[in-house]
Amino acid sequence: EVQLVESGGGSVQPGGSLRLSCAASGFTFSSYAMSWVRQAPGKGLEWVSDISGSGDNTYYADSVKGRFTISRDNSKNTLYLQMNSLRAEDTAVYYCAKGTDGYNWDYWGQGTLVTVSS
Amino acid sequence: SYELTQPPSVSVSPGQTASITCSGDKLGDKYAFWYQQKPGQSPVLVIYQDSKRPSGIPERFSGSNSGNTATLTISGTQAMDEADYYCQAWDSSIYVFGTGTKVTVL
Repeated sequence: EVQLVESGGGSVQPGGSLRLSCAASGFTFSSYAMSWVRQAPGKGLEWVSDISGSGDNTYYADSVKGRFTISRDNSKNTLYLQMNSLRAEDTAVYYCAKGTDGYNWDYWGQGTLVTVSS
Repeated sequence: SYELTQPPSVSVSPGQTASITCSGDKLGDKYAFWYQQKPGQSPVLVIYQDSKRPSGIPERFSGSNSGNTATLTISGTQAMDEADYYCQAWDSSIYVFGTGTKVTVL
């Protein structure tokens, strides 16, 4: 059974940093791209970042480029999102999601809430 | 940047058919995907590659994609289908979500 468990969310002041983690199990982690997708309170889904199975290729939404860094440790089956220079508009539930061969996601974690507020 | 537009809401009576549209420039040239999200829950993939259903998704969910519009159809809608639905496509190395549609089963 595929499981994705996010952690690391919490409250932080504007300009601060947080690192999210996503522990994966139930599939060959290194064979699949992984993504972070967020959802602001009461709003729609927004893709944040994507990383290839090997970790060699990364992609970012313009809204987070230069502030967020996605990475993975295939030996630990764990995905990360380092978030720096956080803004109020980064407040959201952050989901990690397992990629497929076809530019979408087939499994999602339960999400972790990040609140940026003074 | 690429945009996908959905109607904010769709209402349907139990047992009837709900159709949710997703509009984007030449969307038919790309694959469309659909996710269902119930309150307080994570999204669930219900249609991939325009019209395919993942294992475990009921047959009443179907999809199509042509021209500038992709459509998710729920036939014989049940109360449990009440949720938000998002379309999604991939364009130039970025993933794009639609604006979302709230389906209400009256």
